[in-house]
Amino acid sequence: QVQLKESGPGLVQPSQTLSLTCTVSGFSLTSYNVHWVRQPPGKGLEWMGRMRYNGDTSYNSALKSRLSISRDTSKNQVFLKMNSLQTDDTGTYYCTRDWTTRSLDYWGQGVMVTVSS
Amino acid sequence: DVVMTQTPVSLSVSLGNQASISCRSSQSLLHSDGNTYLSWYLQKPGQSPQLLIYLASNRFSGVSNRFSGSGSGTDFTLKISRVEPEDLGVYYCFQHTHLPTFGAGTKLELK
Repeated sequence: QVQLKESGPGLVQPSQTLSLTCTVSGFSLTSYNVHWVRQPPGKGLEWMGRMRYNGDTSYNSALKSRLSISRDTSKNQVFLKMNSLQTDDTGTYYCTRDWTTRSLDYWGQGVMVTVSS
Repeated sequence: DVVMTQTPVSLSVSLGNQASISCRSSQSLLHSDGNTYLSWYLQKPGQSPQLLIYLASNRFSGVSNRFSGSGSGTDFTLKISRVEPEDLGVYYCFQHTHLPTFGAGTKLELK
């Protein structure tokens, strides 16, 4: 069945780089897009960026200068790297699959990231 | 960027009553391919969001028919009839016609 699972460090120091991995199963990264979405504690969802099935990427304009999304199709993994982290980058980070209707049908459980010294 | 404005911010309803949530976009969500890429999600406490409605008015697989979506262009509505306890949580609209954006969310609570 379709599954997505985020992994990465729970704690990152300010000004450092966040590296997260989304490992997928049950579908091919060359057939579906995968997005990253984040959620600060107690707040709403923010779309961060997308890895398309063909390897193209798109980013939230507010994060574009700090964000990079890549993939390894042989390992069924999508990666997120975001630099210059600040405390307001604290939150839960989700990866999610983009269905053919451009809606997000499967979500990972999320990974909590705290930015603190 | 397209701004999605959801109202109300919170909604208190009695079990068995209807709830209605509005989502307005700053630009038309009608894509040149004829589709309107507006979807709705429910995030229950402590859980990941779950897809309810896609293409503005289509229920996702397994979603109760108490949920219905409508609207076009820039104005969209999610209606929940006969609210049940498992419907409580935060509802989000999401547009993917342009660079994707979420609404700020509407919290559905019990009155």
